[in-house]
Amino acid sequence: NAGVTQTPKFQVLKTGQSMTLQCAQDMNHNSMYWYRQDPGMGLRLIYYSASEGTTDKGEVPNGYNVSRLNKREFSLRLESAAPSQTSVYFCATVRGGAGAYNEQFFGPGTRLTVL
Amino acid sequence: KQEVTQIPAALSVPEGENLVLNCSFTDSAIYNLQWFRQDPGKGLTSLLLIQSSQREQTSGRLNASLDKSSGRSTLYIAASQPGDSATYLCAVRRAGGTSYGKLTFGQGTILTVHP
Repeated sequence: NAGVTQTPKFQVLKTGQSMTLQCAQDMNHNSMYWYRQDPGMGLRLIYYSASEGTTDKGEVPNGYNVSRLNKREFSLRLESAAPSQTSVYFCATVRGGAGAYNEQFFGPGTRLTVL
Repeated sequence: KQEVTQIPAALSVPEGENLVLNCSFTDSAIYNLQWFRQDPGKGLTSLLLIQSSQREQTSGRLNASLDKSSGRSTLYIAASQPGDSATYLCAVRRAGGTSYGKLTFGQGTILTVHP
């Protein structure tokens, strides 16, 4: 099992360009998340999807959109990239619902630079 | 708003030493607390998950404790090795509300174990 995979691993964009970050999981987990990690800010939640067909905003959703394509895939889209979106983006999954016994698993990350 | 603080921000120890990393959180209404390890340029690897009803969890040389009422957790690493060098992150999962499975992260402790 690959676990949580993310593509691409690295990306450089110019201001104003758009792109989609892909995340896929083969663990049959219900919930999926997108975080960004910045020096001095830690990891912050951008968007999450509690289950297939639902998405909700996290702490820092501005400038992003998401799509929960199916149970396996959760994509993050930057419509018009800005230098402030330079960051490392992580996708994560959780097996179950609101229960306490659920561990989060993270993908390897996408390192995005916006010039 | 939940805030998570990790002390110290960085720690350098000689190989073989036992060490303690600290994590504190401001809101005790949590489902669980998770400790992660992050190697440079890599994703997050889950080390230990402690449920709110538990006091501690152990995995090999790692032991994590939780005192929910005082908002504190510690990660104890026994007989440290150079391979333990990494950033250690703690994260809490809020109980209830609409923040479905959302984790709030600390800033991390950068651990260096030198031979």
